[in-house]
Parts: sequence; structure tokens; C-alpha cells
Amino acid sequence: AQKVTQAQTEISVVEKEDVTLDCVYETRDTTYYLFWYKQPPSGELVFLIRRNSFDEQNEISGRYSWNFQKSTSSFNFTITASQVVDSAVYFCALSDSSGGYQKVTFGTGTKLQVIP
Amino acid sequence: GAVVSQHPSRVICKSGTSVKIECRSLDFQATTMFWYRQFPKQSLMLMATSNEGSKATYEQGVEKDKFLINHASLTLSTLTVTSAHPEDSSFYICSAISLRPGTENIQYFGAGTRLSVL
Repeated sequence: AQKVTQAQTEISVVEKEDVTLDCVYETRDTTYYLFWYKQPPSGELVFLIRRNSFDEQNEISGRYSWNFQKSTSSFNFTITASQVVDSAVYFCALSDSSGGYQKVTFGTGTKLQVIP
Repeated sequence: GAVVSQHPSRVICKSGTSVKIECRSLDFQATTMFWYRQFPKQSLMLMATSNEGSKATYEQGVEKDKFLINHASLTLSTLTVTSAHPEDSSFYICSAISLRPGTENIQYFGAGTRLSVL
């Protein structure tokens, strides 16, 4: 069965600090996809990144970076020089063959508060 | 990016009435859409998978007759909450999967509908 664990329920940082959001997943498949979504207070989920299981290269997009490590089943998300606009709930998610690679299992989310 | 429009964003209704929520993919076709429910400070709970031209697939524990889903075209799925009661009050979110190459399996979400049943 697939499972996504985001152990950090809430994190508060001061603006300009770096922050890492942890994500640990479980799946029996060798082929799977991992995602990160951002849900600001407005409620809409914004897609941030998709990573397939065969691509372990880390990715950087501006102040965002993702560290995918299959050895530890983790897909952590780092925000560098955080800003107030980064305040949101961040969800890590997984899709595998159990859901036809379309259904997604979400973690419980990490609420990030960036204090000015 | 792919845009999903969801309406209404907020609805308040009396107990016993039915409420229809629309989910549209504006700039792409979506054979598959999903409907989620989210309780305060909780994660998203998948309610059903909506497939164009066929019956929706409901998750265990979700009442089919209570939450009617119709996916009549490649760009529109609707969720009707029938005979709504206060316990149906929640935040409902739809998503759609684009068929565009390179975006496979990515769900794009609508802005959500906050339903309050009095």
C-alpha cells in the first residue's frame, strides 16, 4: 500500500531563513511519481513539481529545491531565503500503479508560516 | 500551465436543498477529473474519480446517491450534493489531468468550493 508521511505539522521561520519540508513515502512499486503542491490560504492547490522514480537528480527552481533520495524513500523540499508569500500548507504526494498512476495519495501537509 | 476553473467558490444553502459545483478545464482536455473533500486543517480526501462518458468511480464510504458526479464532456465535470445537510459542509476541490505530453499524471486543481449548509 502507498503512504506519504509528512512528520512536520507546522513550521515557523523568520523571513529570509531557509526551511526544509520533509516527506517520506512508501510504495511497493519501482515505478512511481512524487509531487509537491502548495495550498495558500486562498485554498487552491498549486502544482510545484513532479518527479518520477527513475530520476534521482535534485532539482532547483529559483528559491525552491528538491532532494529525492530513493535509498531513504524521501523527497524533501527546501525553500531558500523564505518570504512571507511562501506561507502556505505544502503537500507531498505519491502516485503508483495501485491508482493507475493517476490517483494520488497525499500526505497530511506541513503548514509553513514565514514571519516578517 | 493548465487552468482549472471551479464554481461557485462559496455557497451557502438551506438543509435539504441540492447544490451543484462545476469544474472546468479551460485550456486543456481532461478525460479524468477528481473530486476531493477537505476538512479544516486536514489533508485532501478523494471522493471519486470522474471519467468522461462513463460512470464515476467512488471511494469506499462515499455515498453515490448523495454526491452525484457527471462528466459529460472533456472539459466539464459536475458534483451535485443532493439533499445537503450541515454535516456536508466542507471544502470541495476538483482536479483534472491533462493529456498534454509531458504533463502525464499531474493533477491541476480548481480553487475549491466552500459549502456551508445551514
